[in-house]
Formats: sequence, C-alpha cells, structure tokens
Amino acid sequence: GEDVEQSLFLSVREGDSSVINCTYTDSSSTYLYWYKQEPGAGLQLLTYIFSNMDMKQDQRLTVLLNKKDKHLSLRIADTQTGDSAIYFCAVISGNTGKLIFGQGTTLQVKP
Amino acid sequence: EAQVTQNPRYLITVTGKKLTVTCSQNMNHEYMSWYRQDPGLGLRQIYYSMNVEVTDKGDVPEGYKVSRKEKRNFPLILESPSPNQTSLYFCASFGAGLSYNEQFFGPGTRLTVL
Repeated sequence: GEDVEQSLFLSVREGDSSVINCTYTDSSSTYLYWYKQEPGAGLQLLTYIFSNMDMKQDQRLTVLLNKKDKHLSLRIADTQTGDSAIYFCAVISGNTGKLIFGQGTTLQVKP
Repeated sequence: EAQVTQNPRYLITVTGKKLTVTCSQNMNHEYMSWYRQDPGLGLRQIYYSMNVEVTDKGDVPEGYKVSRKEKRNFPLILESPSPNQTSLYFCASFGAGLSYNEQFFGPGTRLTVL
C-alpha cells in the first residue's frame, strides 16, 4: 500500500538550517504537505506543494520536491528554539484521495 | 475565529464503558476526519466524512463508530473501549477543494483505557 517515511529525530543548533526529509511511494500523489505539532497541541498546516512544482518558498521555509525520487524536504532557515516540535509530512493518495501521514520527525533545537 | 473543537481533552475510562468524543467545526467544511496518533506510527485515519450522512472507513476503523447528522459535528463513538484504543485522537476538517489547503486540526483528546 501507500507509504510515507520520515526519520524520527533531528537535532540542530540555534541559527543553523534544518532539513527534514520525507519519502513516499505513491507516484500519483497530487498534493504534499508539511505540518508542525507543538507539545500538547494539534497539527498546524505549515505549507503545501502541488506535484507539478519543484520548490516553494515561504519566508524561512523552503519545500523541495523531487518527483523522480519521490522525495520531499522541508528546510527551515535560521532555526530558532521556537521551531522545536514534531514535523509531519503527508501526501494525498492519487488512488483514494486520502491523506497519508509519515511518522513525524522530532526537531530539537539547542541554544 | 476558525477552529475545530474537541471534548473532552483528557479521558480515563475502563474497558467496556461506552464513550463519545465530540468534534465541532465552524468553517462549514464538508470533509471531516478522525485520526489517532501513536508513537512511531504518525497519524492513522479512523473514519472520515465527505458530507452530511456520508461516512467511510479509514485505515484503522475497528472498534470505532462515527455519525454525521449535521455538517458541523462529527462525533467519534467507542461502544466498548479496550486498552489498545489508548491513544491521542485528533479531529480535523478540510476545505478549499482538492488542494485541502484549508486544514484545521482540533487540539486532541488523550484517551486512556484501563
């Protein structure tokens, strides 16, 4: 079946860039999303990219999509301690229209 | 303010005692969904609803029921809870067509079944 994979943990120093990676199996995915989950809170949609785009930039966030390798990444520039959270990627299945989530990557930002 | 509300936020119960978690949205969205979040597994879809009186199973529907009698409400019902349903539950509503670029998640309900 369709699958979305993320590494579980990433640690960076404040001020560095963070790159969170995600791979997926469904080549017909139409939209791909990144979410942020702060402790004790629900998911917040950060950004999304349509499958015919390679890159999308929104302030400190840059999303890169490599459709050939089915690889999605989220880059956070000048990472701050307030960026510490769990980040989820998700894709819309081209077959079912459902959202398929990855396991989430915990980003730890050290001062 | 656009939001999804869930109640209760925390619940400890015992095996077999029926419970309902409520979910309400004020965006007039047609698509609503329930997820459970477990460590290392991400979010898995339990049930979803594309419109009033239209519901369908997600990936992990066993042991759960839902109803959609009106657009704003989408309650999750556990008729006979078991310990393996101990989890963090999220309700979400989606809008803006196929892109779903309007997505709102509730704050979560942490359920413990003893």
